[in-house]
Amino acid sequence: SQKIEQNSEALNIQEGKTATLTCNYTNYSPAYLQWYRQDPGRGPVFLLLIRENEKEKRKERLKVTFDTTLKQSLFHITASQPADSATYLCALGGSYIPTFGRGTSLIVHP
Amino acid sequence: DAGVIQSPRHEVTEMGQEVTLRCKPISGHDYLFWYRQTMMRGLELLIYFNNNVPIDDSGMPEDRFSAKMPNASFSTLKIQPSEPRDSAVYFCASSLAGGGTEAFFGQGTRLTVV
Repeated sequence: SQKIEQNSEALNIQEGKTATLTCNYTNYSPAYLQWYRQDPGRGPVFLLLIRENEKEKRKERLKVTFDTTLKQSLFHITASQPADSATYLCALGGSYIPTFGRGTSLIVHP
Repeated sequence: DAGVIQSPRHEVTEMGQEVTLRCKPISGHDYLFWYRQTMMRGLELLIYFNNNVPIDDSGMPEDRFSAKMPNASFSTLKIQPSEPRDSAVYFCASSLAGGGTEAFFGQGTRLTVV
């Protein structure tokens, strides 16, 4: 069955460093992959989308890579700030509706 | 636009009672989704609509769950009868189209069944 894996352990980093989150998948050939941010008590908020024919996408301090051979996406936040602390979810989709991973919590310490 | 609006924000009910969750999607969005989020299972898709028509309800856990979308600006998710294991945060989301289009989520309804 399809499986999406995100590290269940929180990632703790120091302010100013680059945070790297991982999304691995199996038994899936997604046409696209999305990353969302979720703050406590709120719904997920869309950040970036990358399609299967794209290797890398950037948006301000965010960078996403998509390796369909490794079946993996990496999500980077450069020059991280305490305000970046949140849970980050990846979502993989085929023709229409994405399936979400369980998310990884990021904690940026001042 | 005020975004996706869900009500109520919190609901506490007794086992066996009927629960109705409500959602107003963003105007002009053709897709509406209902998700359930728990610590154990993460964010699960329950059902989604396209142009008010239910397309895939394979994620609805049991016949106790039902969803309707009588018009483009309103949807409900009903649980009857409710059980303690239904306790979760239920999210409604909408998007302009499918195929990876950004989904906009509401604030969620935290349901507690005691």
